[in-house]
Amino acid sequence: GAGVSQSPSNKVTEKGKDVELRCDPISGHTALYWYRQSLGQGLEFLIYFQGNSAPDKSGLPSDRFSAERTGGSVSTLTIQRTQQEDSAVYLCASSSDSHSPLHFGNGTRLTVT
Amino acid sequence: SQKIEQNSEALNIQEGKTATLTCNYTNYSPAYLQWYRQDPGRGPVFLLLIRENEKEKRKERLKVTFDTTLKQSLFHITASQPADSATYLCAFLTDSWGKLQFGAGTQVVVTP
Repeated sequence: GAGVSQSPSNKVTEKGKDVELRCDPISGHTALYWYRQSLGQGLEFLIYFQGNSAPDKSGLPSDRFSAERTGGSVSTLTIQRTQQEDSAVYLCASSSDSHSPLHFGNGTRLTVT
Repeated sequence: SQKIEQNSEALNIQEGKTATLTCNYTNYSPAYLQWYRQDPGRGPVFLLLIRENEKEKRKERLKVTFDTTLKQSLFHITASQPADSATYLCAFLTDSWGKLQFGAGTQVVVTP
């Protein structure tokens, strides 16, 4: 079956531009997560959606970052006015519930020049 | 705040030997720990979950232990193979809603 799909796989953008990253979770998974991984670093939690509950946005590094999840399925992470420090791999994961293992996509590598 | 630590130095090991990785945590008592494998350019892949009331969990050549007194989990790869070369991440639940916090990972390199 299809796993978690992320697009684009690579994105190069100029500083100050806005970007949108897309995540298609596994069908039927109610929980969806966004993490960020900088070169050689661990995974940094960004935001978490669970069903129809209000998302946990506690990991978003600034108000330039936002995310939404439409219809309980596809999610979009938006970064406004990108900065060079935003360069990283953005990973999306989904799970069947909040206490099940995560299934990750292969990420979007964002490079801000 | 909760903190999770893994050995940042790469573990170089000869094929056939046992690799042992450590995950330590502070300021929290997680109900369970998870271990993931990450290959370059790929997302992490789930390997094992161990609960606080379980001392040990096994899956094929993998073994995980969980010591809530020491606040530590050990991850063992027995009879290691070059295909086991990857970065291994531990993660634990930091709240009741399902937020997972990850360690930075330990790279394992298995040489023939």
